[in-house]
Amino acid sequence: GQQLNQSPQSMFIQEGEDVSMNCTSSSIFNTWLWYKQDPGEGPVLLIALYKAGELTSNGRLTAQFGITRKDSFLNISASIPSDVGIYFCAGQLDFYNQGGKLIFGQGTELSVKP
Amino acid sequence: DGGITQSPKYLFRKEGQNVTLSCEQNLNHDAMYWYRQDPGQGLRLIYYSQIVNDFQKGDIAEGYSVSREKKESFPLTVTSAQKNPTAFYLCASSTITGGDGYTFGSGTRLTVV
Repeated sequence: GQQLNQSPQSMFIQEGEDVSMNCTSSSIFNTWLWYKQDPGEGPVLLIALYKAGELTSNGRLTAQFGITRKDSFLNISASIPSDVGIYFCAGQLDFYNQGGKLIFGQGTELSVKP
Repeated sequence: DGGITQSPKYLFRKEGQNVTLSCEQNLNHDAMYWYRQDPGQGLRLIYYSQIVNDFQKGDIAEGYSVSREKKESFPLTVTSAQKNPTAFYLCASSTITGGDGYTFGSGTRLTVV
């Protein structure tokens, strides 16, 4: 089946540093989404991207939908301790041909040292 | 406020027993999903349903069963046939097209002893 390659798998950074993570796939997606999962909780949607080339910001977060529609990245600027968690990318398949299912990356576990 | 509720948050069961995890949503979403998450692992799809009284197997359906008798509810039963049931289980829902992504519940941690 379709797979997303998310990297890095984990990151250990100092508070105040910037963070960058990305997802790539051999499949084309109509939508890219980025989720954050706090420890022991369900993932929460951070950013949704709907158009190839789209660059969207949400506070300190910036995400881009790759031009080829096969990749996306997420940047977090000036990290703070509450950024700790697991970040998942997800690509959405075409609804009419493939049911609109989300395919998730393996996650990037972020640790922030105060 | 609309949302998706999973219960209980923590569940302990003896090996060989079936156990049912609850998932209820009041978002008027047509589609619902069950995922399993193991430590250091991503999300693996167990079952999903796009309409009442219909559901499909995901990637790891063996040892699990579901029902979708009501739009709001999508309970997951972990049967004794599931060899490694201890995990974190996440329920999610979406519109039929999934256009705004999935909304997740807060999860149920199942421990089988």
